Amino acid sequence: DSGVTQTPKHLITATGQRVTLRCSPRSGDLSVYWYQQSLDQGLQFLIQYYNGEERAKGNILERFSAQQFPDLHSELNLSSLELGDSALYFCASSVEASGAKHNEQFFGPGTRLTVL
Amino acid sequence: DAKTTQPPSMDCAEGRAANLPCNHSTISGNEYVYWYRQIHSQGPQYIIHGLKNNETNEMASLIITEDRKSSTLILPHATLRDTAVYYCIVRGPYNQGGKLIFGQGTELSVKP
Repeated sequence: DSGVTQTPKHLITATGQRVTLRCSPRSGDLSVYWYQQSLDQGLQFLIQYYNGEERAKGNILERFSAQQFPDLHSELNLSSLELGDSALYFCASSVEASGAKHNEQFFGPGTRLTVL
Repeated sequence: DAKTTQPPSMDCAEGRAANLPCNHSTISGNEYVYWYRQIHSQGPQYIIHGLKNNETNEMASLIITEDRKSSTLILPHATLRDTAVYYCIVRGPYNQGGKLIFGQGTELSVKP
């Protein structure tokens, strides 16, 4: 158990719909990352938040957005869903503090999204 | 970010050492080598990281060549539960964190 929680575990929805994925980081971790894993693209970085602020963006579509709340949990919003958005979505957290002993990322169990 | 090259698949007999190679010939002086693994469709799991010295922890050992252009992850006594995809990742300074760029990894199959 990494200490990172993600809900829901599975999500089945239809094209054109909107969904929200939730991530709770490990206690004390300030940074949250979102990754997408699809069969054809592998594991890809989407976006990073640090202490409530967006820090880095990867290959995130404009239909996707994310935010990190004051309690440090994060949500990834996916809208106008397409069949190709079907994938595993992982959240990872790390402390990201200068001088911290452990800055590696800890991954949650993922949310499997199926768009029909 | 520097790129890495790994063999797509490897087999290892249970109880034997698994040696997973990684080439990172364009690594910069302040970039670290990280290893993660992903068992089935679970979230990737951190294994080990290093800069230039060899490192060992309870999971594995990491051997980095002197010129830092390649490294080897060693699982000393592989078990069936070590069957997974192993990712070698080059990343900026340890204390700066930052995104992980995953390649295709090596699919390790540990066989009885």
